[in-house]
Amino acid sequence: NAGVTQTPKFRILKIGQSMTLQCTQDMNHNYMYWYRQDPGMGLKLIYYSVGAGITDKGEVPNGYNVSRSTTEDFPLRLELAAPSQTSVYFCASNDRGGTYTEAFFGQGTRLTVV
Amino acid sequence: AQSVTQLGSHVSVSEGALVLLRCNYSSSVPPYLFWYVQYPNQGLQLLLKYTTGATLVKGINGFEAEFKKSETSFHLTKPSAHMSDAAEYFCAVSALGGGATNKLIFGTGTLLAVQP
Repeated sequence: NAGVTQTPKFRILKIGQSMTLQCTQDMNHNYMYWYRQDPGMGLKLIYYSVGAGITDKGEVPNGYNVSRSTTEDFPLRLELAAPSQTSVYFCASNDRGGTYTEAFFGQGTRLTVV
Repeated sequence: AQSVTQLGSHVSVSEGALVLLRCNYSSSVPPYLFWYVQYPNQGLQLLLKYTTGATLVKGINGFEAEFKKSETSFHLTKPSAHMSDAAEYFCAVSALGGGATNKLIFGTGTLLAVQP
């Protein structure tokens, strides 16, 4: 199993450009998450999803959008990139059935907005 | 709602010394607690977790943590630090429940340096 796969690994965007960060998991997990990591700030939850067709906002959703059309995929969309969105983005997934399972993380996408 | 506080953003120990990384949590429902480790330019890897049962949990690489409900703490320890333990460590809280309790909430992280 590949686990959680994020693409791209690195990206430089100009202010105002848009892009989609891709995330896919092959563990049939129902929960998926997007976090951003900034130095000294830990990981902040942007959006999460409890299953296909269901998404909800996290702590810092402004400037982002998500969709969950399938169990496997959870893309994160930046419509108008701003310098404040320069960060490292992590996608994660876990199973929240009868027994809690650990969250598995992708390797991250390092985004710079200039 | 849940939250996590990690005391000390930077901790430095000598090789062979005790490692103690502090984590306090707040939760309105019985918590699930986790420690993750992040090596440079890597994703996060689970060290250990507490869900129910025994309050002293053992993880990978010789780390362990004890859930203390009365102190709302989940401190991470290792008896003897190795150079390879140098990394950033994150405490996280979640719960099996409806609504906001389902989210995995992280602390701000503690960067562990190990001196030779």
